[in-house]
Amino acid sequence: KAGVTQTPRYLIKTRGQQVTLSCSPISGHRSVSWYQQTPGQGLQFLFEYFSETQRNKGNFPGRFSGRQFSNSRSEMNVSTLELGDSALYLCASSPAGGFTGELFFGEGSRLTVL
Amino acid sequence: KNQVEQSPQSLIILEGKNCTLQCNYTVSPFSNLRWYKQDTGRGPVSLTIMTFSENTKSNGRYTATLDADTKQSSLHITASQLSDSASYICVVSANTGGFKTIFGAGTRLFVKA
Repeated sequence: KAGVTQTPRYLIKTRGQQVTLSCSPISGHRSVSWYQQTPGQGLQFLFEYFSETQRNKGNFPGRFSGRQFSNSRSEMNVSTLELGDSALYLCASSPAGGFTGELFFGEGSRLTVL
Repeated sequence: KNQVEQSPQSLIILEGKNCTLQCNYTVSPFSNLRWYKQDTGRGPVSLTIMTFSENTKSNGRYTATLDADTKQSSLHITASQLSDSASYICVVSANTGGFKTIFGAGTRLFVKA
């Protein structure tokens, strides 16, 4: 069974630009959640989608948004990038819900903002 | 305030030795606690997940314990191997009407030959 796939793995952007990251969950998993990981803040929850609906949201500004498609694939978008957005962005899938069940993480997308 | 604190921040041990990592939380109402292992540059991998009624759960050389009364958990690694070098992250979920997940900052473990 294929794992969680995130693309791109690495990317470099400049301040003010926007970025879209993609996540393909494990087949059959309906929940996809996103996380930001930085050395200073550790892992922080961004949002969770289940059956194309945002079910939970962390404390991030509106520049961070996401969506989920009917095939459970998910994208997250960050607009008007700031230097502080440089981080490893992780996606995780779960069969039913990330808060009660096991999370399966992808390898992450490492974003560098210059 | 919901918090998860892990100790130590980092740890160096010799191959073959045992070690114990600690996780204290103030998350309420408690739903579950998980331990993840994260190799450098990789995504976290689940080791154990425990609910309120579970005291101990093992996964190979990894054994997690949970004391819901004192809100403490520990991860014990037996007969450490070089491949155990990684960050270990404690994650606690609360059911506050909507679920809330709080991550610990992690313990960085270095296993030396």
